[in-house]
Amino acid sequence: DQQVKQNSPSLSVQEGRISILNCDYTNSMFDYFLWYKKYPAEGPTFLISISSIKDKNEDGRFTVFLNKSAKHLSLHIVPSQPGDSAVYFCAASALDTDKLIFGTGTRLQVFP
Amino acid sequence: SQTIHQWPATLVQPVGSPLSLECTVEGTSNPNLYWYRQAAGRGLQLLFYSVGIGQISSEVPQNLSASRPQDRQFILSSKKLLLSDSGFYLCAWSPLRHTIYFGEGSWLTVV
Repeated sequence: DQQVKQNSPSLSVQEGRISILNCDYTNSMFDYFLWYKKYPAEGPTFLISISSIKDKNEDGRFTVFLNKSAKHLSLHIVPSQPGDSAVYFCAASALDTDKLIFGTGTRLQVFP
Repeated sequence: SQTIHQWPATLVQPVGSPLSLECTVEGTSNPNLYWYRQAAGRGLQLLFYSVGIGQISSEVPQNLSASRPQDRQFILSSKKLLLSDSGFYLCAWSPLRHTIYFGEGSWLTVV
């Protein structure tokens, strides 16, 4: 049972344009959501997070949007840069747990 | 500052051989510790997590086990490896309830 889903395995975007990565979840108990970025053969690094009491959080070029009614979150990267090319994972945790549940990841490629 | 290290970085093991991956965290005390595995098309799968010494929770039935002999040490083991155990293993720690931080990862190839 995949509680966190990233239905797009890959995304290709031109440099300077906006990248939008999507994530859906099924567990209504999730109250905190995170995005991680991963390069090949390295551990994921934390990018940005959002609590369920908010619907938007912004950090520089990265903005995460949360739509609780749709159980959907998205990561916007603008402007996209070649160095953003990586696999992006969304993750979620519930109030009564110390665990993070990850999606399957979306490979972003930013081309010149 | 806090750091996390895991080793070995890569290893190739024959089917049926034992496994031991080690992870240590420095600069913090009583962290939550995690073992994840990244397999092709499966994303990051939580294998084990620990909230304290000797306290291990297993998330999926499998051929692996975990131990936490010291506060900042987390070990992933297997008595007999299977081909399906191949993958990229990640140790992680958490200072807070939510955000976790990953180590460099260990590539395991079972042949």
